This record gives sequence, structure tokens and C-alpha cells, in this order.
Amino acid sequence: EPEVTQTPSHQVTQMGQEVILRCVPISNHLYFYWYRQILGQKVEFLVSFYNNEISEKSEIFDDQFSVERPDGSNFTLKIRSTKLEDSAMYFCASRETTGPGELFFGEGSRLTVL
Amino acid sequence: AQSVTQLGSHVSVSEGALVLLRCNYSSSVPPYLFWYVQYPNQGLQLLLKYTSAATLVKGINGFEAEFKKSETSFHLTKPSAHMSDAAEYFCAVSRPDSNYQLIWGAGTKLIIKP
Repeated sequence: EPEVTQTPSHQVTQMGQEVILRCVPISNHLYFYWYRQILGQKVEFLVSFYNNEISEKSEIFDDQFSVERPDGSNFTLKIRSTKLEDSAMYFCASRETTGPGELFFGEGSRLTVL
Repeated sequence: AQSVTQLGSHVSVSEGALVLLRCNYSSSVPPYLFWYVQYPNQGLQLLLKYTSAATLVKGINGFEAEFKKSETSFHLTKPSAHMSDAAEYFCAVSRPDSNYQLIWGAGTKLIIKP
């Protein structure tokens, strides 16, 4: 069964360092998302991406964050200068079409900022 | 604006007992509603969804949910709990005005007592 894959599963980094989280969405999907879940808190929307550009972003997605689809398969989330409060589980998701169809999630990348 | 409220951060039931996880939503447009499950150290998996068809929706693993517009509710039920149902359950509403991104409830951790 096709699935969304994310790497790394866990990354520990020092405050101020750059981090890139990688996602491989399901191959025929066109809409891509990043969500995050701080430990013990709600899942929060970060950004949606379609047709090689950001379609929407939340207040959380400030200038420290960026997304890219560099090669037609990977979908990356970059945090330029990590802060302690960026520690969270980051989920990538993809969807085949627009509309209320199912979002397929990866297993998440846990980021720990020290 | 859409929002989701899940009553009870933790629900504990005995194995074999009825499971009831509550979800209320607010939405300025007809909602699309989802329940996702997160098993320990895993990603988010769709249990079921309501997208304006039948109000009683059946999902995987014996779960079902009923959309009640008058009560703005979408409670999740299962007649007989199994130990393997222990997980965190998230209710979410989809924003059709925003690329159908999901707005999440805070989650309910389901604990199954032997």
C-alpha cells in the first residue's frame, strides 16, 4: 500500500542550527502539507503546497521556515535557525486531489532542540 | 471560523465496554469531519470521515461516528473496546475555504482496562 515516508524519524540539534526534514509523498498526490505537534498539545497546521508553491501558511510558519519540492518526489521542510520551542513532532501529509478527501500522513519526524 | 472541541483529554473504559469519544465542532460552512487515530510512536491514521453523505459513518476497526447537525457533534463510538484500541484519537474539521486543511481537536487518549 502506498505510504508517505518521512526522514529522519528523530533528530536532535543545537539551538540556532538549520534542520531539514524530508518527506516523500504518495507518488500521484498533488497536495502536500506539514503539520506539527508539540508534546501534549494539538496538531497544528503549518503550510500547504500545491503546484510548486505555497498555497497557505499559518502564523507559525514564519520566515524561519521554508518548504521545497526540489526534485518532484521529495517535499522538505527547512527550519533555518532552530529555537527551543521548535521541538515537536512534524508530520508530512499528502492528498491526491483537492476536496475533503483523506489526508495520508507519514509517521512523523521528532525534532528535539537543545 | 472552524474549530473542534474534544471533551475529555483521557477516557478510560474496560475491555468489552462501550467506547464513546466526544467531538463538537463549529463551522461557518457545511463541515467535513474526520476522526484520526495515533497509536504510540506512529503517525496519524484515518478512522473515518463525514463528507455530507450518510450521517452515520462506519470506519475501520469497528468504529463509527454519527454527524448530528442540531448538536454540532460528531462523536466516535465502538460497541466493545479491545485492548488494541488504546491510542490517542483526534477529531478534525476540514476547511473548504482553505485548501481543505484540517483544524484539529486536542485529542483524547483512550485507555483500556483489562
